[in-house]
Amino acid sequence: AQSVTQPDIHITVSEGASLELRCNYSYGATPYLFWYVQSPGQGLQLLLKYFSGDTLVQGIKGFEAEFKRSQSSFNLRKPSVHWSDAAEYFCAVAISGGYQKVTFGIGTKLQVIP
Amino acid sequence: SAVISQKPSRDICQRGTSLTIQCQVDSQVTMMFWYRQQPGQSLTLIATANQGSEATYESGFVIDKFPISRPNLTFSTLTVSNMSPEDSSIYLCSVGRGGSTEAFFGQGTRLTVV
Repeated sequence: AQSVTQPDIHITVSEGASLELRCNYSYGATPYLFWYVQSPGQGLQLLLKYFSGDTLVQGIKGFEAEFKRSQSSFNLRKPSVHWSDAAEYFCAVAISGGYQKVTFGIGTKLQVIP
Repeated sequence: SAVISQKPSRDICQRGTSLTIQCQVDSQVTMMFWYRQQPGQSLTLIATANQGSEATYESGFVIDKFPISRPNLTFSTLTVSNMSPEDSSIYLCSVGRGGSTEAFFGQGTRLTVV
């Protein structure tokens, strides 16, 4: 079965600083990879996804993620964090084509300080 | 995209009672999913609900505790039965569409059992 590891439960960055959230997955083939964001009291919003092709994918709100097969990683990055980015971020993986069951990581809570 | 409306958005319930959560989608969808997000935890899939068939439950979840209905292609309900404080969680409805690998989420129902 596939699994997702987000090693950082909580991260604090200063506004304007760069951000990288780590995500490692375990699956025998190339999975479908996602990053979701959950703001306080809100549902989940898809930031970006990777299925195939260019390993650097661009998402909404200035986020990007890079798929590295050799490291089984799909880290999320943003060059300059805004206070409104404070939220919880979930990496997720699904197998095969079409929407299938999605396995989520435990989430990384991002705090942004002035 | 899909617009998903969940009701209620939050509730406080007495132990031993049951709560039915509704999920309404603005368009017909093939697959609907129910997730639970316990405090400080990631999302865990409870079951998959396809119209015209019995819901498929994940390991650790049973129909007697979480009965699900899927009467048509735009609506589903999840009932949390005989509640205990351990059922205090956010319950989220998610939908997928054939041909799309993106999952759309409702805002969630925040349940507190006292």
